[in-house]
Amino acid sequence: GESVGLHLPTLSVQEGDNSIINCAYSNSASDYFIWYKQESGKGPQFIIDIRSNMDKRQGQRVTVLLNKTVKHLSLQIAATQPGDSAVYFCAENMGVSLTFGKGTMLLVSP
Amino acid sequence: EAQVTQNPRYLITVTGKKLTVTCSQNMNHEYMSWYRQDPGLGLRQIYYSMNVEVTDKGDVPEGYKVSRKEKRNFPLILESPSPNQTSLYFCASSSGQGRGYTFGSGTRLTVV
Repeated sequence: GESVGLHLPTLSVQEGDNSIINCAYSNSASDYFIWYKQESGKGPQFIIDIRSNMDKRQGQRVTVLLNKTVKHLSLQIAATQPGDSAVYFCAENMGVSLTFGKGTMLLVSP
Repeated sequence: EAQVTQNPRYLITVTGKKLTVTCSQNMNHEYMSWYRQDPGLGLRQIYYSMNVEVTDKGDVPEGYKVSRKEKRNFPLILESPSPNQTSLYFCASSSGQGRGYTFGSGTRLTVV
């Protein structure tokens, strides 16, 4: 598959651990944030989103936290599985476009 | 199945030979966008469209053209490709502002 992971920060965890992936965003006016997962050879897939009037949102095994004071997002994955291995991107919505962070590679070992 | 379809998946071409990458979505989305992805640079927006006949430049529009003659299609045109346009390209669509984009599977373009 295509390599999109060169020069990316990498988080290595054991199966079953909880994972936390962090992201700093740039624009204090952004009002909508999304986490995407990208597996090798595939396009980014939506995981979870959060609006700026919230500070926490939970999905299935995933939680997103938003700290607007320091312009910081985090993605928490509970009970990480080998299938979670991928590159994770945060994106901030400004108007009609999304601006993506550089991404973090998550490696899950059995 | 709701999806964004890009073609081709892989393309090798020579410098200066015009090419078009097609993109089609079946979700009746108003917003469509093209991104390129390069190692170390992440995903960067090339062009976007808010509706039929409405297009605008993104962060890296040089060397690209787009058109939006109908809602479902948003082709990316490289009139005279150059090696620095070798990249992985993604088309994406969204139902509106403040909503997530659905991405296609990508087009790997190599310009020699």
